[in-house]
Amino acid sequence: GNSVTQMEGPVTLSEEAFLTINCTYTATGYPSLFWYVQYPGEGLQLLLKATKADDKGSNKGFEATYRKETTSFHLEKGSVQVSDSAVYFCALRDSNYQLIWGAGTKLIIKP
Amino acid sequence: DGGITQSPKYLFRKEGQNVTLSCEQNLNHDAMYWYRQDPGQGLRLIYYSQIVNDFQKGDIAEGYSVSREKKESFPLTVTSAQKNPTAFYLCASKSPTGVSQYFGPGTRLLVL
Repeated sequence: GNSVTQMEGPVTLSEEAFLTINCTYTATGYPSLFWYVQYPGEGLQLLLKATKADDKGSNKGFEATYRKETTSFHLEKGSVQVSDSAVYFCALRDSNYQLIWGAGTKLIIKP
Repeated sequence: DGGITQSPKYLFRKEGQNVTLSCEQNLNHDAMYWYRQDPGQGLRLIYYSQIVNDFQKGDIAEGYSVSREKKESFPLTVTSAQKNPTAFYLCASKSPTGVSQYFGPGTRLLVL
């Protein structure tokens, strides 16, 4: 079946460090891929998305490229800030239009 | 402003009690969803509704019930049959042509 695997957290970085959070997926066909962010005590917000292979989603300095050959959608940011501390979820939309979620990766940025 | 509201922010349940979590949206979205989030875990789908007066079970529907009498509202009842209800509950909605879901701020349910 369809599934999403994210790197385990927490990921702890210093401010201005480079960020990569790995996400790989298993799915039939060509699912849409998403990154959502959850700040403490809040709901989820869509961070970025990509709907077809080789698409690059970007928002707020974050980027992720839909790589079909490696079934990956890794999240990257060149220089993180303390305000980026949150939990990041990778997800795919399956053929029934339901979202399949990764377990989430907690990111901690230290000043 | 358009969005999704959930209330209350915190909810306490006594043993054997049913409680209802509210979810309202003014985005004119047809589809609405309820998820459960446990610490350190991803989201699990409880119920979803594609249109008014219709809903389907998700992966963990046992011990929960929903109704969809209005397009704007999708309340979730946590029944006494749900033996481990303590969790963070998230409501979401999506337009028919949209790709992504929009989330409310969540309700944290605690058992007394």
